[in-house]
Amino acid sequence: QSALTQPRSVSGSPGQSVTISCTGTTSDVGNYNYVSWYQQHPGKAPKLMISDVNQRPSGVPDRFSGSKSGNTASLTISDIQAEDEADYYCCSYAGSYAVFGGGTKLTVL
Amino acid sequence: EVQLVQSGAEVKKPGESLKISCKGSGYPYINNWIGWVRQMPGKGLEWMGIVYPGDSNTRYSPSFQGQVTMSADKSISTAYLQWSNLKASDTAMYYCARLFSGSYGEKFDYWGQGTLVTVSS
Repeated sequence: QSALTQPRSVSGSPGQSVTISCTGTTSDVGNYNYVSWYQQHPGKAPKLMISDVNQRPSGVPDRFSGSKSGNTASLTISDIQAEDEADYYCCSYAGSYAVFGGGTKLTVL
Repeated sequence: EVQLVQSGAEVKKPGESLKISCKGSGYPYINNWIGWVRQMPGKGLEWMGIVYPGDSNTRYSPSFQGQVTMSADKSISTAYLQWSNLKASDTAMYYCARLFSGSYGEKFDYWGQGTLVTVSS
């Protein structure tokens, strides 16, 4: 039940695109299309941004998109804005339970 | 409006017991699993487990199995997370969250505000 692997930090300037990876195993990310992404601002509860690998809940800007290849899921944020600066976590079903990634801090330069 | 309201911050001593709560409103409470997520100070999110208010069925992460107990009382739309022997390492923010209907455990669509638990002698 190890945490999924994410880069500790990524950064980009406003208007650029960034991609955050989330690497698991054949027991979780690689075996199920049940991967979600969460955004968490300091002192706040997490917010669901992407579910089922690439589905955006209502109200989430279309600048946020998700994908998956093999054991690695990815979150891409296009045209990044100042308010996107936050921590991002992936979460995958792993058979009877789920597991989060270690989290990635996005810095908007 | 869907809301999950958690009980207030707690300060406890090692060895004490504790039960925190998560009350739901704005939807049929028994229809959705409720999950618990731990966030230790300055650290990431950890999936602890989920409880189904309809019949109190539970699923735990292997990391938390035997360390905590999850339960629910559907009559008052409330889920609980409890410890019988707190340790300093249990100091963390604990979030409850509603699992999206049909999801397998990774899709939490509404979150509580969090309960800060501090364990210190």
